[in-house]
Amino acid sequence: EPEVTQTPSHQVTQMGQEVILRCVPISNHLYFYWYRQILGQKVEFLVSFYNNEISEKSEIFDDQFSVERPDGSNFTLKIRSTKLEDSAMYFCASSALWGLAGGPKQFFGPGTRLTVL
Amino acid sequence: GENVEQHPSTLSVQEGDSAVIKCTYSDSASNYFPWYKQELGKRPQLIIDIRSNVGEKKDQRIAVTLNKTAKHFSLHITETQPEDSAVYFCAADGGSQGNLIFGKGTKLSVKP
Repeated sequence: EPEVTQTPSHQVTQMGQEVILRCVPISNHLYFYWYRQILGQKVEFLVSFYNNEISEKSEIFDDQFSVERPDGSNFTLKIRSTKLEDSAMYFCASSALWGLAGGPKQFFGPGTRLTVL
Repeated sequence: GENVEQHPSTLSVQEGDSAVIKCTYSDSASNYFPWYKQELGKRPQLIIDIRSNVGEKKDQRIAVTLNKTAKHFSLHITETQPEDSAVYFCAADGGSQGNLIFGKGTKLSVKP
């Protein structure tokens, strides 16, 4: 069964550095998402992406964040200047068609644990 | 925007008993309500979902009910087993492109 994959599994960085988290969504999916989960807390929506542009973003997704689909398979999240409070698990998710009386299933990747020192 | 409340935060049951987790949501426009199971250090895994045009859905030992009028939905697990122990998150779709708004999670412990 196809799965969402993410790399790296763990990223350690210094405060102020840039990081890029990578995701390979399920191949026939059209909608892509990033979520984050601070340790012991709930999963929080960051951004959704469809048709090569951002569809929606939360208040967490400020100017230091950006997303890109650089080719036909990868979906990336860039954090420009990391802060201590960016330390969290970042999950990528993908889904097929949206709409038509409610949404389709979102499948999550294994996550990237980001530690900002 | 959408807000999802989930109760209880922790739930401990004996193996074989039933477990019920309840969620409420605020946005009457929400149409899709998935439940995810997350084991320690792992990804959230979709276990069941329900759309707004359905009141109940069952998959083996797991069932979900939805009351759109009251804006609440519940997860029911029957004949619980130790491997059901995990954190369970409910969610509701929060926008036109399907972003999910999650509850705070319920840590379910099933004692053998």
